[in-house]
Amino acid sequence: EAGVTQSPTHLIKTRGQQATLRCSPISGHTSVYWYQQALGLGLQFLLWYDEGEERNRGNFPPRFSGRQFPNYSSELNVNALELEDSALYLCASSLLNHYGYTFGSGTRLTVV
Amino acid sequence: GENVEQHPSTLSVQEGDSAVIKCTYSDSASNYFPWYKQELGKGPQLIIDIRSNVGEKKDQRIAVTLNKTAKHFSLHITETQPEDSAVYFCAASMPDTGRRALTFGSGTRLQVQP
Repeated sequence: EAGVTQSPTHLIKTRGQQATLRCSPISGHTSVYWYQQALGLGLQFLLWYDEGEERNRGNFPPRFSGRQFPNYSSELNVNALELEDSALYLCASSLLNHYGYTFGSGTRLTVV
Repeated sequence: GENVEQHPSTLSVQEGDSAVIKCTYSDSASNYFPWYKQELGKGPQLIIDIRSNVGEKKDQRIAVTLNKTAKHFSLHITETQPEDSAVYFCAASMPDTGRRALTFGSGTRLQVQP
């Protein structure tokens, strides 16, 4: 069974640009979660999608947004990039009635 | 909102010794407590979890204990091996209320010396 896949693995952007990160959940999983892991810090919750709807949002500005497609894949968009957005962005998926997540390996975003 | 504190931030043990990592949480409504292991260059991997209706859970060399009254939970690794070296994160959530987002601790870097 394929795990959670994220693309690209690395992304370098210039301050002010937009970044798009993609995630494919495990087959059959309907919930997708996005987390930010800044260097040396823990994981901060960004967004939760299920069945195409945004279910919950963390304490991040509106320039962090995303969506979930009918096949349950998801993308995270970060507009007006700032240097402090540099981090590892992790996607996780789960079945709605299961509590535990399975994480992907992440996209390392570097803003220069 | 929920706040999870984790300590120690770093832990070095000799191979074969035990390791204990402790976490406290603030919201008494939290009822799901997973532990994740993150190796270099990889995403976190769920290693064990516990729900609030259980006080202890064990899986081979790994065990988790939960004290709901004190709002703290701990990860115990026995007979540590070099491949246990990684960063470990505790987390908490309240999925029964619909709040599925996990609040993570700040992580513990475990180093097992051969």
